[in-house]
Amino acid sequence: GDSVTQTEGQVALSEEDFLTIHCNYSASGYPALFWYVQYPGEGPQFLFRASRDKEKGSSRGFEATYDKGTTSFHLRKASVQESDSAVYYCALGDQGSAGNKLTFGIGTRVLVRP
Amino acid sequence: DAGVTQTPRHEVAEKGQTIILKCEPVSGHNDLFWYRQTKIQGLELLSYFRSKSLMEDGGAFKDRFKAEMLNSSFSTLKIQPTEPKDSAVYLCASSLVGGRSEQFFGPGTRLTVL
Repeated sequence: GDSVTQTEGQVALSEEDFLTIHCNYSASGYPALFWYVQYPGEGPQFLFRASRDKEKGSSRGFEATYDKGTTSFHLRKASVQESDSAVYYCALGDQGSAGNKLTFGIGTRVLVRP
Repeated sequence: DAGVTQTPRHEVAEKGQTIILKCEPVSGHNDLFWYRQTKIQGLELLSYFRSKSLMEDGGAFKDRFKAEMLNSSFSTLKIQPTEPKDSAVYLCASSLVGGRSEQFFGPGTRLTVL
């Protein structure tokens, strides 16, 4: 079945560092790809999505480009802040049911030191 | 607009008890999802409803987990009987009908089974 693999564990950074979280997917066709962010005590929040090859999604300084060739949707931010400390999830949309079911990656915890 | 509401926020149960978690989706959303979130497994889909019809019932969770949509604005997740391994955060999410729509998550219910 469809699956998502993302950077595992925790990424520790200092403020103003560059952040990259790798996300690769396995699916046929052109599934929608999503990034979500989860802060402590809250549910995941939608960051952005992309639906076709070479499309870039972005929000709050984060961005990712849909790459069909490498089946990737890596999350990047040029200069992180302490407030970016959170867990980030890459997700893959279901194509078969035409519904909105998502397959999530395991999540990557980002810790930004002041 | 109100987001997804979940009650209670915290629940403590003894092994063998029956517990019921509640969810109110965003008004106008027709897709509703229940997830279990743990550090080891991440986000696991328990149930998926579209317009109150059950579209998917997570195979591994069928025996003791039952989700229902009593009407378009209220859903419950019953766990009967509870076991210590059920300790997790249970998240409810909703989305508009139509492919590639994002899911909106509630804050979750943290369940501890003693």
